[in-house]
Amino acid sequence: SQKIEQNSEALNIQEGKTATLTCNYTNYSPAYLQWYRQDPGRGPVFLLLIRENEKEKRKERLKVTFDTTLKQSLFHITASQPADSATYLCALPSGGATNKLIFGTGTLLAVQP
Amino acid sequence: GAGVSQTPSNKVTEKGKYVELRCDPISGHTALYWYRQSLGQGPEFLIYFQGTGAADDSGLPNDRFFAVRPEGSVSTLKIQRTERGDSAVYLCASSSQGGHTEAFFGQGTRLTVV
Repeated sequence: SQKIEQNSEALNIQEGKTATLTCNYTNYSPAYLQWYRQDPGRGPVFLLLIRENEKEKRKERLKVTFDTTLKQSLFHITASQPADSATYLCALPSGGATNKLIFGTGTLLAVQP
Repeated sequence: GAGVSQTPSNKVTEKGKYVELRCDPISGHTALYWYRQSLGQGPEFLIYFQGTGAADDSGLPNDRFFAVRPEGSVSTLKIQRTERGDSAVYLCASSSQGGHTEAFFGQGTRLTVV
């Protein structure tokens, strides 16, 4: 069955450093991959979508890579700020024309001032 | 509205009772999704609507769960004979079309079955 793995342990980093989060998947060849941010008590908020033919995508301080050979996506936040502290979710489409997404468990990022 | 709205924000119900959770998607969004999220887990797909019809209900855990979207906008998730294991945050999301587009999520309804 399709499986998505994200680091279950929280990632603690110092303000100003680059945070790197990992998303690995198995039994899968997704056409694209999405990253979401979720704050406590809130719904996920879309950040970036990267397609299978794109190696890298950037948005402001965010960068996502997508390696379909390794079946892995890396999510980077450069010049991290305490306001970046949240849970980051990786999501892949289950297939077909719908946007039915399969989510990872998420990685909690804590940026210390 | 400006975003996806879910009501109520919190719902506490007794085991065995019936509950309804409402979702108001972004105006004009034809695709609507229900997800369920337990503590420490990612959202888990329940059902997908394209317009008024349920295009994919493969995530509904059993026949106690049912959802409708009669006019292609507002959706209601209905849970009969609630069980303590149904306790979770129920998230609704909408998108302008199915596939390859971002999903906009509501803040969720936290359901607690006591």
